[in-house]
Amino acid sequence: GDSVTQMEGPVTLSEEAFLTINCTYTATGYPSLFWYVQYPGEGLQLLLKATKADDKGSNKGFEATYRKETTSFHLEKGSVQVSDSAVYFCALSDQQGGSEKLVFGKGTKLTVNP
Amino acid sequence: DVKVTQSSRYLVKRTGEKVFLECVQDMDHENMFWYRQDPGLGLRLIYFSYDVKMKEKGDIPEGYSVSREKKERFSLILESASTNQTSMYLCASSSPAGGDSYEQYFGPGTRLTVT
Repeated sequence: GDSVTQMEGPVTLSEEAFLTINCTYTATGYPSLFWYVQYPGEGLQLLLKATKADDKGSNKGFEATYRKETTSFHLEKGSVQVSDSAVYFCALSDQQGGSEKLVFGKGTKLTVNP
Repeated sequence: DVKVTQSSRYLVKRTGEKVFLECVQDMDHENMFWYRQDPGLGLRLIYFSYDVKMKEKGDIPEGYSVSREKKERFSLILESASTNQTSMYLCASSSPAGGDSYEQYFGPGTRLTVT
C-alpha cells in the first residue's frame, strides 16, 4: 500500500538556521502531498500542500516541491524561529479504491533554540 | 472559520469503563475520521465515515466502535477501556475531494488516560 517515510527526529536548530525535513513516498497513481504541523497541546493544521508534480506549496516561509521523479516532498525554511518549534507530519492522499484517506508519516519534532 | 471540536481535552477513565469521545464539525463535511497518536508511531486511522450511518474500519479498529447519526457528529466508543488505549485521540473532517485535494481539518485532540 501507499506509505510515507520522513526523517526521524528530533531535530534541534538555533534560531535563523536553515531547515530541511526529508519526506519520500510510495504510491500508486498521482497522490496529493501535504505537510501538517502540530504545535504543543494542539491538533494538526495544514501547513502547505501540492496536488501535482512540480507544484510548489508554500506558507509562513515554508516551502516544499512535489518531485515525482524522486518521489519526494521535502520541507524547507530558510530561517527558522523559536515559534516554529512543533511536530511536522508529511502525508499523501490515498487514492486506492476511491478512498479519501490520508497516509501520514511518523512525524518529526523540531525544536528551535534562541 | 472552519471548526472541529472535541468534547474533552483531557479524560481519565478506569479499566473496563465504556468511554465516549465526541467530535463535531461545523463545515458540512461528508467525511469524518478518528485517529490515535502515539509517540514514535505517528497517526493511525481507527475508523472513518463517508456519510451519515456509514462507517469503515481503518488500520487499527480493534477495541473501538463508532457512531454517526448526524452529519456533523462522529463518536468514538471504547466498549471496555484498557490501559493500552491510553493515547491522544484526534478527530478530523474533510469534504469530498473531487479529484483535487483531500485536505483534512483536525480538532484539538483528547488525551485519554486509562488507569
